[in-house]
Amino acid sequence: GNSVTQMEGPVTLSEEAFLTINCTYTATGYPSLFWYVQYPGEGLQLLLKATKADDKGSNKGFEATYRKETTSFHLEKGSVQVSDSAVYFCALSRSGGKLIFGQGTELSVKP
Amino acid sequence: AAGVIQSPRHLIKEKRETATLKCYPIPRHDTVYWYQQGPGQDPQFLISFYEKMQSDKGSIPDRFSAQQFSDYHSELNMSSLELGDSALYFCASRVGSGQDLTEAFFGQGTRLTVV
Repeated sequence: GNSVTQMEGPVTLSEEAFLTINCTYTATGYPSLFWYVQYPGEGLQLLLKATKADDKGSNKGFEATYRKETTSFHLEKGSVQVSDSAVYFCALSRSGGKLIFGQGTELSVKP
Repeated sequence: AAGVIQSPRHLIKEKRETATLKCYPIPRHDTVYWYQQGPGQDPQFLISFYEKMQSDKGSIPDRFSAQQFSDYHSELNMSSLELGDSALYFCASRVGSGQDLTEAFFGQGTRLTVV
């Protein structure tokens, strides 16, 4: 079946450090891939997405590239800020549009 | 801009009681999804509706039911509540269904606590 696996958290970084959160997926066919962010006490916000192989999604300094050969969609940011502290969810979508989420990775950025 | 509205934001119920959660999608969005997020867990898909018809079903207990009304709002009805039903319940809406991959927008969620 379809599934998403993320690196375990929490991830603790200093401000301006480089961020990578690994995400791999298992799916039949060609899913669309997403990163969602959840700030404390809030709902899920779409951070970025990619709909086909080799697409790069980017937003607010975050990037992720759809790698079909490695079935991965790793999230990266060159310089994190304290305000980036949140839980990040990798997700995929097949037909019907429902999202299948990874287990989430908590990011904590210290000043 | 209008967002997905969920009500109530917080709900406390006793075991074996019933609860009704409401979701008001973004105007002109015809597809609604319900997700359940347990403490420290990832959101799990429960059920979805497209044009007032159930379009997909996930891990929704038989004690739960849902529907989408003519104005596209949706309600999740939960009966015989159990302690394990305590979770954050999200609704998301989007335009279209199937392979049309327009973005799904999430509401703030309803935090249900069963005591």
